[in-house]
Amino acid sequence: SQQGEEDPQALSIQEGENATMNCSYKTSINNLQWYRQNSGRGLVHLILIRSNEREKHSGRLRVTLDTSKKSSSLLITASRAADTASYFCATGDRGYIPTFGRGTSLIVHP
Amino acid sequence: GAVVSQHPSRVICKSGTSVKIECRSLDFQATTMFWYRQFPKQSLMLMATSNEGSKATYEQGVEKDKFLINHASLTLSTLTVTSAHPEDSSFYICSAVAGGKETQYFGPGTRLLVL
Repeated sequence: SQQGEEDPQALSIQEGENATMNCSYKTSINNLQWYRQNSGRGLVHLILIRSNEREKHSGRLRVTLDTSKKSSSLLITASRAADTASYFCATGDRGYIPTFGRGTSLIVHP
Repeated sequence: GAVVSQHPSRVICKSGTSVKIECRSLDFQATTMFWYRQFPKQSLMLMATSNEGSKATYEQGVEKDKFLINHASLTLSTLTVTSAHPEDSSFYICSAVAGGKETQYFGPGTRLLVL
């Protein structure tokens, strides 16, 4: 089934550095969404980018989408310890039901 | 806005008992709710899609008689794990979508431990 796959699986950085996570998928999509999950909690929707968009910003987040390469990236600038979480991409290929990848575990050291 | 709650947040039960988990959209009407299951350090696995007033649509491999879903109103869906076994221990997360919208809003999840 269609599924976004995040890369890397784990990322460890220092506070203030930028964090980049990538997501690849296999078939055509309507949209791609990024979510954040703190340990043992639900998911928080970060940003949605549609298939006809190439880049989107929200605060310290920047998302790009390259449909020719079937990939997306999430950039968190000037990271903070509070950004420590797992980040998932979800591809919207079944109407609006996103299909999740395994996630990238981000640790930001203070 | 767009808050989804789940109750309980944690539950421990004995093998063979049934457990009901509630998912509520607090400030919007959810025409569709989804139930996911997540194992440690794994992705979310969609179990079923629930539309208000109709039967839930289960994903392949999910036993509908074991995981009973009821979406009785536009703000409440329930998942009942019947005759729970230790392998049902997991993190169950619901999400809700308002009519015509694309964004899912997730509940905080319910940790189920079956002894």
